[in-house]
Order: sequence, then structure tokens, then C-alpha cells
Amino acid sequence: QLQLQESGPGLVKPSETLSLTCTVSGGSISSSSYFWGWIRQPPGKGLEWIGNVYYLGNTYYNSSLKSRVTISVDTSKNQFSLKLTSVTTSDTAMYYCARRLHDTRGPLDYWGLGTLVTVSS
Amino acid sequence: SYVLTQAPSVSAAPGKTATITCGGDNIGSKTVHWYQQRSGQAPVLVIYYDNVRPSGIPDRFSGSTSGNAATLTISRVEVGDEADYYCQVWDTRSDHVVFGGGTKLTVL
Repeated sequence: QLQLQESGPGLVKPSETLSLTCTVSGGSISSSSYFWGWIRQPPGKGLEWIGNVYYLGNTYYNSSLKSRVTISVDTSKNQFSLKLTSVTTSDTAMYYCARRLHDTRGPLDYWGLGTLVTVSS
Repeated sequence: SYVLTQAPSVSAAPGKTATITCGGDNIGSKTVHWYQQRSGQAPVLVIYYDNVRPSGIPDRFSGSTSGNAATLTISRVEVGDEADYYCQVWDTRSDHVVFGGGTKLTVL
């Protein structure tokens, strides 16, 4: 059974960089059939897509965050990562990693449990 | 960018049918996925490619699309179906995953 697990600091100071890692178990991140992505959800609000990465390193980003976001993949560790620079309190959210079928129309079929990141001094 | 519109809330009595709609410009030409998010939990895929149920999702859940609306229908509603439901598409113009704002289903 595929499992995704987010990890990283739960508290980040304003203007600093948020860094999260998603560890994939029960399957290979190097499969040609999937993208790997990040989604966030501010408290009490809806879902916002951050971006996707393919195992070869190809990336798609939400244009509203593109200038601050980097998503990368480490196939040797079966992990992928999110970096979000210059964070503000508006970046406080639950951050989820998820798998998406390698089809431009594909769904997000497996999700991690999520990790809450609070931006505060 | 492409916008998906959902009503904030809908309610249904146990045993009745709940209908959750997702509006978007010519959404019938796109592929729609639906997610259920119970309180305090991660989203779960309940319908993909418009009308396909993942393994383990009851056949009480069904989806359809036509024109400017996509619909998630939950038949014989149960208390356990109480959750937020999100529609999602891929916008080919922006190369973005797009979510609707979510609809909270209350089971009365």
C-alpha cells in the first residue's frame, strides 16, 4: 500500500524559507506513471495546488507562487521536497504531499496526512 | 485562470440524496475529479475521470458532467458522509491543477 509522509519544521519565521520533505513508501518515486505534488490548505479554507514534479525533474508550479517555490525530487531516497522562500503569515497552512497520475488530466489519488506549518515570529 | 465555483454548503437527511455541483466555463469538456475531506483529515479521492469510483468507495457515490456544471451525487446519505467535498480539474491553458472552493455537506 502506497504511503506518503510529510516532514519538516512546524514553525517558520517570517521572511525565512519553508522546507518540507515527502517520503514515499510502498512504491517507487521513479515510476514513469506519476507526478508528485504539493497542496496546501490555510486554516478553515480550501485547497490550493502548489506544484508537481516528475521523477526526471520536470516541474509545474502555481503561477501565484512560482517566484518563491522550488519542488525537487531525490530518487535515491524516494523523496521529493518543497521549498517556499520569503514566507509571510499568509503561508500558514496544512501542507499535503500527493501522487498524481502522469496524465495532464489525472487525479491526485494518494495523499499524505499533512503537516501544519505556522509562520510566526 | 480557470475558476471552479461550488456552493458553500448543502444538507441532506440520512437515507436521502445529496447533490453537490461544481460550476465552470464549459466544464463538460474537461475531466473532473472529486475529493472528500472529513474534519481533521486529509482529502480522499471519491470520483475520478468524471464518473469512476476508486476501489473502496461505495457505489452510492456517482459523478457526471454536462455543459457548465459537474455534479457529485451521493445516494442514501449516511452520517459518515458528512464532510467537505472539492471538485478539481486540470486547466490546459495555465497548466494548473484547479480546485473548487469546496462544499460542506451536513447530514441532518
